[in-house]
Amino acid sequence: TQLLEQSPQFLSIQEGENLTVYCNSSSVFSSLQWYRQEPGEGPVLLVTVVTGGEVKKLKRLTFQFGDARKDSSLHITAAQPGDTGLYLCAGARANAGKSTFGDGTTLTVKP
Amino acid sequence: DAGVIQSPRHEVTEMGQEVTLRCKPISGHNSLFWYRQTMMRGLELLIYFNNNVPIDDSGMPEDRFSAKMPNASFSTLKIQPSEPRDSAVYFCASSLQGLASSPLHFGNGTRLTVT
Repeated sequence: TQLLEQSPQFLSIQEGENLTVYCNSSSVFSSLQWYRQEPGEGPVLLVTVVTGGEVKKLKRLTFQFGDARKDSSLHITAAQPGDTGLYLCAGARANAGKSTFGDGTTLTVKP
Repeated sequence: DAGVIQSPRHEVTEMGQEVTLRCKPISGHNSLFWYRQTMMRGLELLIYFNNNVPIDDSGMPEDRFSAKMPNASFSTLKIQPSEPRDSAVYFCASSLQGLASSPLHFGNGTRLTVT
C-alpha cells in the first residue's frame, strides 16, 4: 500500500512570509502531483512532476521532486492570503490507473 | 468550457434512506473517479471507471455503496441504506487518459449529511 505523508498538517503564517510543505513516502513514484483545494470546492491541479530532481516554478510557488522520486516539496515565497487552502500531493506508480493522495497541509495566510 | 458537474451540492437525509449522487464528467474524458473526503480520513478513492467500465472498486466501503456509469457523460454513486457515518463530501473527478499521471479535474462535490 502506498502511503504519502504530508507535513506539517497545519500551518498558519503572516502575509509576506515564506514557507515549505513536504510530501514524503517510502515508495517510488513515476509521477507526483500537487493540488490546492479551497473551501467548498474540489481540488485543483497546480503541477505534475515526473523526473527525479525536477524543479518547477509557478509564479511564487516552487515544486521539487526528490532525486529518488520518493518525496516532494512545495515552497511558497512571500505568501499572500489568496494562497490559503488545503495543499494535497498525489503520487502514482508507473502504468497505474489511479494515484494516492496524502492527507494534505492546511495553510492559512493572515493579512 | 464546463467542468465536472455534480448534483446535488448538498444532501441531508435520514438514516436508512437511499441517496443518489450524480456526476457529469468533462466531455471527452474517458476516466471517472469517485472520492470521499472527511476530516478523519482525508480524500479516499472509492471507485474509478475507464471507458465506462469499473476498473477498481476496492475503495467502496461496503455493499451499501454502488456506482454505475451507463454512458460516457453520466455516473451515479448510490448509498442504500445510508448511515450517519456516511456523512462526508463526495467528489467526482474525470481525466483525459486512463493513467494516474493524467491531471484530475474535480467537481465541487456533494456534501452529504445523514442524520
